[in-house]
Amino acid sequence: EIVLTQSPDFQSVTPKEKVTITCRASQSIGSSLHWYQQKPDQSPKLLIKYASQSLSGVPSRFSGSGSGTDFTLTINSLEAEDAATYYCHQSNSLPQTFGGGTKVEIK
Amino acid sequence: QVQLQESGPGLVKPSETLSLTCTVSGGFITNYYWSWIRQPPGKGLEWIGYIYYSGRTNYNPSLKSRVTISVDTSKNQFSLKLSSVTAADTAVYYCARVDGGNLDYWGQGTLVTVSS
Repeated sequence: EIVLTQSPDFQSVTPKEKVTITCRASQSIGSSLHWYQQKPDQSPKLLIKYASQSLSGVPSRFSGSGSGTDFTLTINSLEAEDAATYYCHQSNSLPQTFGGGTKVEIK
Repeated sequence: QVQLQESGPGLVKPSETLSLTCTVSGGFITNYYWSWIRQPPGKGLEWIGYIYYSGRTNYNPSLKSRVTISVDTSKNQFSLKLSSVTAADTAVYYCARVDGGNLDYWGQGTLVTVSS
């Protein structure tokens, strides 16, 4: 089973700051890494697919990068509505697995 | 716009079987894989398994002996059964559509509590 390790677990950030969340896979997963945003009492929402592919309707301040074992989700100029927990997810190998999540709080 | 809706009992007794159904609207269940994911209260996400519209399945080995996912294309639904449940199976259960590898549409989730 591929283990995804996210860091940090928690981040408290001022609006307009840049946020960087990392996800490290225990073995190479190519680009089969996806990012989700989950707000309290809501279901996860797909933000970035295949490491760096943006999605229609997702604000351009969200971007992803990486391949192999190291991946990054970047939120440029954080807004109050971005307060959420962010999860990475790999679909390269079965069983599919998720990272432990990074909670982003707005100061 | 594709929408998914989970339904089923919110309370299940220990040792019994948890049964949930996901109804897909706004699109057809054919030509896609469909997943179940769960999230214990205050914790992270766990992939349970998926099913193709043809009936092909794959399950998380940690749950494989207790899980069955099935599909009913005539009703545009797929279902989850988890047997011999314990308190550790208490979670919000989500159904989701698989698009390639990512999960692009999710249901709102349903909380299932295992308790006598």
